[in-house]
Amino acid sequence: GAGVSQSPSNKVTEKGKDVELRCDPISGHTALYWYRQRLGQGLEFLIYFQGNSAPDKSGLPSDRFSAERTGESVSTLTIQRTQQEDSAVYLCASSLRRIEETQYFGPGTRLLVL
Amino acid sequence: GENVEQHPSTLSVQEGDSAVIKCTYSDSASNYFPWYKQELGKGPQLIIDIRSNVGEKKDQRIAVTLNKTAKHFSLHITETQPEDSAVYFCAATWSTSGSARQLTFGSGTQLTVLP
Repeated sequence: GAGVSQSPSNKVTEKGKDVELRCDPISGHTALYWYRQRLGQGLEFLIYFQGNSAPDKSGLPSDRFSAERTGESVSTLTIQRTQQEDSAVYLCASSLRRIEETQYFGPGTRLLVL
Repeated sequence: GENVEQHPSTLSVQEGDSAVIKCTYSDSASNYFPWYKQELGKGPQLIIDIRSNVGEKKDQRIAVTLNKTAKHFSLHITETQPEDSAVYFCAATWSTSGSARQLTFGSGTQLTVLP
């Protein structure tokens, strides 16, 4: 079956521009996560959606970052006024219901801010 | 919050040898410990996990051990093959029936299996 998909796969933008990243989770998965992975580093949690509950935004690094999810499907991560330190791979994952269940990751969006 | 440290950052082994990657965690409440494998240009993929009610779990050539007293857990890969070459991440979290904390990941280990 289809896995988690993300678009675009690569994004180059200029400092100060806004970017929008998209994630399509596995159908039927109610939990969705966004992570940031800087070059050569581990994954940093950004935000978590679970069903109709209020999202856990505790990992968002600044108010320039926001995310939305439409029902239990597609999610978009928006970065406003991008900075060079935002350059990273942004990974989306989904799981059936809970954090401690298997999280299935998409291939990521590689963001480069010039 | 939780802090997970992972060692070594790079590891090279000869094909057929074993590889061991170690992680320590800080929060004694953590009770779920997954390991992920990330191949170049791809997202991480779960390869094995362990919960705090067991000390060891095996799946073919892969095993994970957990020492709750010392707060460390390790990934063991036996009879390594070139396709095992990847970056491996450990992670930790706690969960109950009603709530859970987000996964905290280690910084990763680049494993290279030399033919």
